[in-house]
Amino acid sequence: DGGITQSPKYLFRKEGQNVTLSCEQNLNHDAMYWYRQDPGQGLRLIYYSQIVNDFQKGDIAEGYSVSREKKESFPLTVTSAQKNPTAFYLCASGSSVGYGYTFGSGTRLTVV
Amino acid sequence: RKEVEQDPGPFNVPEGATVAFNCTYSNSASQSFFWYRQDCRKEPKLLMSVYSSGNEDGRFTAQLNRASQYISLLIRDSKLSDSATYLCVVNYLTGGGNKLTFGTGTQLKVEL
Repeated sequence: DGGITQSPKYLFRKEGQNVTLSCEQNLNHDAMYWYRQDPGQGLRLIYYSQIVNDFQKGDIAEGYSVSREKKESFPLTVTSAQKNPTAFYLCASGSSVGYGYTFGSGTRLTVV
Repeated sequence: RKEVEQDPGPFNVPEGATVAFNCTYSNSASQSFFWYRQDCRKEPKLLMSVYSSGNEDGRFTAQLNRASQYISLLIRDSKLSDSATYLCVVNYLTGGGNKLTFGTGTQLKVEL
């Protein structure tokens, strides 16, 4: 079945460490997105990519980095520069503006 | 001003009631519009796209007013299972591709 997979589901990180969240899709979608959601708040856009080897900063890109070396994959690295990284991270992909976007099941990151 | 604004609620309604949610957006260049549903601690899932002509999917009706930059969602004969947070989503084209912006969501609680 086609879909978008995020791993791991839960992740614990020590302060000062970088961590990479995985996002893989087999939907043949061109566009991929990373969002962050804090408790009781909406989704905020971190980075997005329309094509391979190209990506754009979203509204809260500071302290994060991404790569898009393959169409299927869009990993997000949370660096030690991110001051408040504990959140629910959601990856999404889409092929056409008219048909909406599909989300992965998310990664809950906790800094300990 | 936020790019997409929604009343956070919660809307507490009895089973069988009709409930309406509204959303306003600030970017007049926005191209496509969606309603997503998000259950507690889960990823958002596409409920329906929104068209200027209005569209209906069972008990759900969505409407777009481009002149007023306003989107609505009407739920008729509400069920307990409709309890969730409803996210208004706006898409517009940037230099880097399609950018999805989410409202903070409206919480619905359907009660017996």
